[in-house]
This record gives sequence, C-alpha cells and structure tokens, in this order.
Amino acid sequence: DSGVTQTPKHLITATGQRVTLRCSPRSGDLSVYWYQQSLDQGLQFLIQYYNGEERAKGNILERFSAQQFPDLHSELNLSSLELGDSALYFCASSAGAGGNNEQFFGPGTRLTVL
Amino acid sequence: AQSVAQPEDQVNVAEGNPLTVKCTYSVSGNPYLFWYVQYPNRGLQFLLKYITGDNLVKGSYGFEAEFNKSQTSFHLKKPSALVSDSALYFCAVKGSQGNLIFGKGTKLSVKP
Repeated sequence: DSGVTQTPKHLITATGQRVTLRCSPRSGDLSVYWYQQSLDQGLQFLIQYYNGEERAKGNILERFSAQQFPDLHSELNLSSLELGDSALYFCASSAGAGGNNEQFFGPGTRLTVL
Repeated sequence: AQSVAQPEDQVNVAEGNPLTVKCTYSVSGNPYLFWYVQYPNRGLQFLLKYITGDNLVKGSYGFEAEFNKSQTSFHLKKPSALVSDSALYFCAVKGSQGNLIFGKGTKLSVKP
C-alpha cells in the first residue's frame, strides 16, 4: 500500500458528461501528479500541483482541469467526455516539488466512456 | 527533450534464471532515472532510482539496476527470477518539469 488513495475505483459514464476524480496524497507529501494510462498513449503526465499551486503542465486537454485543496487532496475534473478519454487515471504524490524524490502512485481510477 | 526507450515489449525467463529488462535514455544534462513495476489492476510501485553516485543501484524485492553513461542505459536486473516477478516494468526519467517520463513498458513473464 503506497499510502495514496484514489476514488472512485471505477467510473462508467456517457460521452459529453463531466466527472471528478479524487486523490489523497501520502501523509506529509506536498506534490500531487496526475497521469493518464492508455493502451495507445502509454503513461502520460497531465499536471502537477505543489502545496496548492499548479507547478507543471503536461499533455492535459483544455477540457480537463485540476486543483489541490488546503488539505492537499486533489481533484481532476474531466468534462465533455469523449470515447478516447477512456483510460486509467493515476495520481502520485511526492515529498518535494522538483521530481528528485520518488513518486508514490495510487491504485488508479478506471474511466470508461460509453 | 528527455525520453526513455524500452526496446522489448516482452521478456520471458525461467524461474531461477537471471533476468534483465532493458532501458535506454536520452536527456540533456545528468539523468534522474527510475524503475517502477505494475501488477495487474494495481498502481505503479517504486523499485529503485539513480540520482548520482554508484552506478549499481539496489532496490526493492532483490532488483538492481546498472547505470551506464557511455551507453545511456539503465537496465534492470535480478540474479534469480521468481514467478511472482511477472508484471509490467516501466523505466522513467525525470522530465524538465519534474514529472516522470515513462517508457512503453516491458512485460516480464517468469515461467516455473
């Protein structure tokens, strides 16, 4: 158990809908990273927050957004969903902001868009 | 731009034999390299990392990795494979923004 929790575990929704994925980092970790894992794209970095502030942005679509709250949990919002958004979404946490520390991954949320 | 390559989609090994999972990298500057393992329907688990220092890095579950600067490689190794080592293995490099840039993954299959 990495100490990172993600809810829900599975999510099935329809095209055009909006969903929210939630992540709680390990105790004491200030950084939260979001990644998308799909068969065709592999593991892709979406966005990073550090202590409530956005720190880095990767291949995140404009339809997607995220935030980190004062208690350090993070939410990833996916809107106007398309079939191609079906994937496994992971969050990871680490102690620092710079990426030198290992990242600890949650179990993921499997999103299925029908 | 930083990148990693895992040239083998799958590696098959007999239990008890040594295993190697290959990874090569491309970075500007000093690389920060990581290995992760993913079991079915699970998140990624950290195995080991290379930041600086000794070229042979020891990690979890008896795994180690050898950093070779001249060959830009960071191969994962284990002296004696177990059936329970069967999983998907990812090599990663720290990106310019601090995120991890992952390879495509290598499926390791260890047969009894």
